[in-house]
Amino acid sequence: GQQLNQSPQSMFIQEGEDVSMNCTSSSIFNTWLWYKQDPGEGPVLLIALYKAGELTSNGRLTAQFGITRKDSFLNISASIPSDVGIYFCAGPRSTNAGGTSYGKLTFGQGTILTVHP
Amino acid sequence: DADVTQTPRNRITKTGKRIMLECSQTKGHDRMYWYRQDPGLGLRLIYYSFDVKDINKGEISDGYSVSRQAQAKFSLSLESAIPNQTALYFCATSDPWDATYNEQFFGPGTRLTVL
Repeated sequence: GQQLNQSPQSMFIQEGEDVSMNCTSSSIFNTWLWYKQDPGEGPVLLIALYKAGELTSNGRLTAQFGITRKDSFLNISASIPSDVGIYFCAGPRSTNAGGTSYGKLTFGQGTILTVHP
Repeated sequence: DADVTQTPRNRITKTGKRIMLECSQTKGHDRMYWYRQDPGLGLRLIYYSFDVKDINKGEISDGYSVSRQAQAKFSLSLESAIPNQTALYFCATSDPWDATYNEQFFGPGTRLTVL
C-alpha cells in the first residue's frame, strides 16, 4: 500500500536553529499536508500544498511540494521552544482505479522535534 | 469549547474486557474517522464514516468495531481488548464540501492501556 517515509525520525536542536525535515513516497501524491501534534493533543494542520513545485509559508514555517510529486519538505526557521512536538506529513490515498480518494489520508511516521532553550 | 471531544481521555483495562471510546463533534461535519497512533508508526486508520449510514474499514480494522449513532457521534469499540491494542486513539472529522483541502480536525486523543 501507499507509504510515506519521514526523515529524520527525531531531532534535538538548540533554540534559534533552523530545522528541515522531509517526506518521501514511492507513489505520486496530488496534495501534501503537514500537521503538527503538540504534546498531549491531536494533530493540527500547518500547511497544505496542491501543486508540484509549490512553495508555501506560514510564519516561520515553509513547505515545498516536490517537483516529482513524490516528496515534500518542511522547514522551520529560528526555532523556539513551542515548536516542540511531532510533525507529520500526509496525503490523500489513491483509489484502486488510480484516482484520489479525497477524505482518506495516509500519514508518515512523524518527526519528533525537541528544542533546547 | 473544543469542536471534537473524546471520552475518556485515559483508560486502563484488562485483557478480554470490552471497551468503548466515544467521539463527539460540533463542527457539523459528515465525515468522521478513528485512528490509532503508535510510536514510530504514525497515524493508522481504523474505521471511517462518510455519513450516518456509512461505515468503512480502514487499514487496521481487525479487533475493532464502530457505531455512527448520529452525525455528531462516532464510537469505537474493542470487543475483547488485548495488550497490543495499547495505543493513543484519535477521532477526526472533515468537511466533504472541502474535498480539495483534505483537512481533518482531530480530537485530543484517548490513551488506552490494556494490561
